Amino acid sequence: GDSVTQMEGPVTLSEEAFLTINCTYTATGYPSLFWYVQYPGEGLQLLLKATKADDKGSNKGFEATYRKETTSFHLEKGSVQVSDSAVYFCALVGTSYDKVIFGPGTSLSVIP
Amino acid sequence: GAVVSQHPSRVICKSGTSVKIECRSLDFQATTMFWYRQFPKQSLMLMATSNEGSKATYEQGVEKDKFLINHASLTLSTLTVTSAHPEDSSFYICSAHPPGGAGTDTQYFGPGTRLTVL
Repeated sequence: GDSVTQMEGPVTLSEEAFLTINCTYTATGYPSLFWYVQYPGEGLQLLLKATKADDKGSNKGFEATYRKETTSFHLEKGSVQVSDSAVYFCALVGTSYDKVIFGPGTSLSVIP
Repeated sequence: GAVVSQHPSRVICKSGTSVKIECRSLDFQATTMFWYRQFPKQSLMLMATSNEGSKATYEQGVEKDKFLINHASLTLSTLTVTSAHPEDSSFYICSAHPPGGAGTDTQYFGPGTRLTVL
């Protein structure tokens, strides 16, 4: 079945450092790919998405490119801020548009 | 973007009581909503798919009689945890996606409900 794998955390970075969180997936066909962010004690917010190969999703300085050849959707940000501290979930929705398949989540802590 | 709300945001109850959690889509109609459970420092686990006007579809291992789901209208789904016990304590999150067209693949999540059973 479909699945999502993320790099394990927690990840701790200094403010203004470069961020990469790796995500790879297994799915049939061409799923839609997402990054969601969860701040402490809150629900999930959609951060960005991409729906086809080579699409780049971007939002709030974060970017991720849909790579079909490597089945990856790595999240990047050039300069992280303390306010970016949260848990990041990579996810996919298959072509039947039903349930979301989540990765295990990666906790990010940004220190001043 | 589309907004999904949940109520209550936090609930504490005694063991043996039942708790109802509401999930509402505020600016769109949702024929399908989803209920997830999240344990501390873990990912979301899909519990069930709530279908308007029909029975919910439960994931394997989820007790139907324990977690009652009612999708009464196109904007409201409820999850009732019956005879709650401390092991039911968790963070419950619902989601929904707008019907048809662009963005159908994007689910919008509620803010979650923290349930603590004493």
